[in-house]
Amino acid sequence: AQSVTQLGSHVSVSEGALVLLRCNYSSSVPPYLFWYVQYPNQGLQLLLKYTSAATLVKGINGFEAEFKKSETSFHLTKPSAHMSDAAEYFCAVSEPGNTPLVFGKGTRLSVIA
Amino acid sequence: EADIYQTPRYLVIGTGKKITLECSQTMGHDKMYWYQQDPGMELHLIHYSYGVNSTEKGDLSSESTVSRIRTEHFPLTLESARPSHTSQYLCASSDGLGRTDTQYFGPGTRLTVL
Repeated sequence: AQSVTQLGSHVSVSEGALVLLRCNYSSSVPPYLFWYVQYPNQGLQLLLKYTSAATLVKGINGFEAEFKKSETSFHLTKPSAHMSDAAEYFCAVSEPGNTPLVFGKGTRLSVIA
Repeated sequence: EADIYQTPRYLVIGTGKKITLECSQTMGHDKMYWYQQDPGMELHLIHYSYGVNSTEKGDLSSESTVSRIRTEHFPLTLESARPSHTSQYLCASSDGLGRTDTQYFGPGTRLTVL
């Protein structure tokens, strides 16, 4: 079965600093990978997804992620953090066949003024 | 923006009561899901449906039940609520493109059982 591991349950950055949220996957087949964001008191929404086209994927709100097969990673980055980026971030992988997404445990991002 | 709705948003109820959490979507999606989200954020899939009259249990064992009589409606029922059911419940639907499906989430129902 495929899985994702998010390193760090809580990441804190200063406003204007680089945001780096880590996600590693385990898969025996080419993976499809996703990043979702959850703002306080809301459901999740899609930030971006990798579907085997370009390895550098750009998403909403200035976020991007790079698929690195050699490192089995799909880390999420943003050059300059904004206070509004404070949220929970979930990495997810799509398994072969008609089965639901597998989510990681999530990383809480705090942005310090 | 996706059109998926959950009611109620917040519910405080006593032990032993029967409750139904409502979830509706207006996008015509065949696939729908229920997740339980712990206070520490982790999502657990408890039920899913790939169409009318089709329901499956998810990874996390749950005492809740679901039904899918109409495409747009996927309610979750607890016959007898207990304090251990206190959690946030998120409903989602997906656009059915296969492995590249995007899931659209409702705002959640925060349930507290006293």
